[in-house]
Amino acid sequence: EDQVTQSPEALRLQEGESSSLNCSYTVSGLRGLFWYRQDPGKGPEFLFTLYSAGEEKEKERLKATLTKKESFLHITAPKPEDSATYLCAVHPNPMNRDDKIIFGKGTRLHILP
Amino acid sequence: DTEVTQTPKHLVMGMTNKKSLKCEQHMGHRAMYWYKQKAKKPPELMFVYSYEKLSINESVPSRFSPECPNSSLLNLHLHALQPEDSALYLCASSQLDYGYTFGSGTRLTVV
Repeated sequence: EDQVTQSPEALRLQEGESSSLNCSYTVSGLRGLFWYRQDPGKGPEFLFTLYSAGEEKEKERLKATLTKKESFLHITAPKPEDSATYLCAVHPNPMNRDDKIIFGKGTRLHILP
Repeated sequence: DTEVTQTPKHLVMGMTNKKSLKCEQHMGHRAMYWYKQKAKKPPELMFVYSYEKLSINESVPSRFSPECPNSSLLNLHLHALQPEDSALYLCASSQLDYGYTFGSGTRLTVV
């Protein structure tokens, strides 16, 4: 069964304290892995798509990496405005169902000033 | 235009009411989705439309009725909802491999 697991469930960091969020996946094949940021009461905001092992993408203080079994979202010197829930989702390939991605449960990140 | 627009942002409805949620995108994406999200949970897929045809219905109760009038619009018709249907309803669109674009959601409260 296709599965996406994110860890930790919640993370509290001091401002400037770098860390990483983990997304491990078990799928029949990988078409793409997505990272989203979600603020309370709002829709997920797209951050990155990763397609193949070894790929890396960066945006401001965020860097996403991908291996054959997991992805990491590295946060460097975070600021309080980086506080949010970070969602990982996987697009399996071949797909059993058309256009269906599998979400992890998310990591709630809280950056203390 | 790189947005998915959802209206209304907030909705309070009684259990006997009929209401509709609306979603619009002008990115030319061929697939559109409805998701339901409860607090501190990931989004749960409800329906998928691909090329304006319903391709996935995740065993959603019939009190939720989706409609795709054209390639840019997606509606979710609501009737006889229960209090447990209160949630954030998200619309999304995609061109498959390029990730999903989500709207800001409709916060639905059923009283």
